[in-house]
Amino acid sequence: DVKVTQSSRYLVKRTGEKVFLECVQDMDHENMFWYRQDPGLGLRLIYFSYDVKMKEKGDIPEGYSVSREKKERFSLILESASTNQTSMYLCASLSGGFSYEQYFGPGTRLTVT
Amino acid sequence: QKEVEQDPGPLSVPEGAIVSLNCTYSNSAFQYFMWYRQYSRKGPELLMYTYSSGNKEDGRFTAQVDKSSKYISLFIRDSQPSDSATYLCATTTGANSKLTFGKGITLSVRP
Repeated sequence: DVKVTQSSRYLVKRTGEKVFLECVQDMDHENMFWYRQDPGLGLRLIYFSYDVKMKEKGDIPEGYSVSREKKERFSLILESASTNQTSMYLCASLSGGFSYEQYFGPGTRLTVT
Repeated sequence: QKEVEQDPGPLSVPEGAIVSLNCTYSNSAFQYFMWYRQYSRKGPELLMYTYSSGNKEDGRFTAQVDKSSKYISLFIRDSQPSDSATYLCATTTGANSKLTFGKGITLSVRP
């Protein structure tokens, strides 16, 4: 079974703090993704990565950055957290080629106060 | 127009009912279609995956794609309380690995 893990299930941070969300997958997948999920807005893609050190902006990259130094790990960084970044953050991975089946982690519920 | 539109719901049905969940899409280049199920406070899990038009059946679940009308459906037969979850449709052109998701519909199956 593919396993995607995220470093925290729940996180509370203060406005202006730098926040790191970590994601690790154990299936040697090439592609990894960060989404946020909000009621009424659905899943929105923040950033994705096709390979180590590669990154592409998604639909809502503003206020976020990412890092992929190793194939299995994809980090999402909030440089200066704001209250409008309170959300559920979901990481996903997929193997690439002709497979489009994304496997999601359990999510991190981030609250910025 | 959003690329993928999904009935907003919520939807409540009695146990044993047949459930029909639907999405429409606007981009004719979409080739691959998926349904994800998401339980409360969990990440989405892949439920069904189809390529191009046609039907695919897996137990009580049937995924249907009609590319001529740009319509995606998921049917659940003999619905169970354990089917209570949010269901998201998703699609991609296949040009890259990005998926486009519907907003999801929350289904509640009453015992």
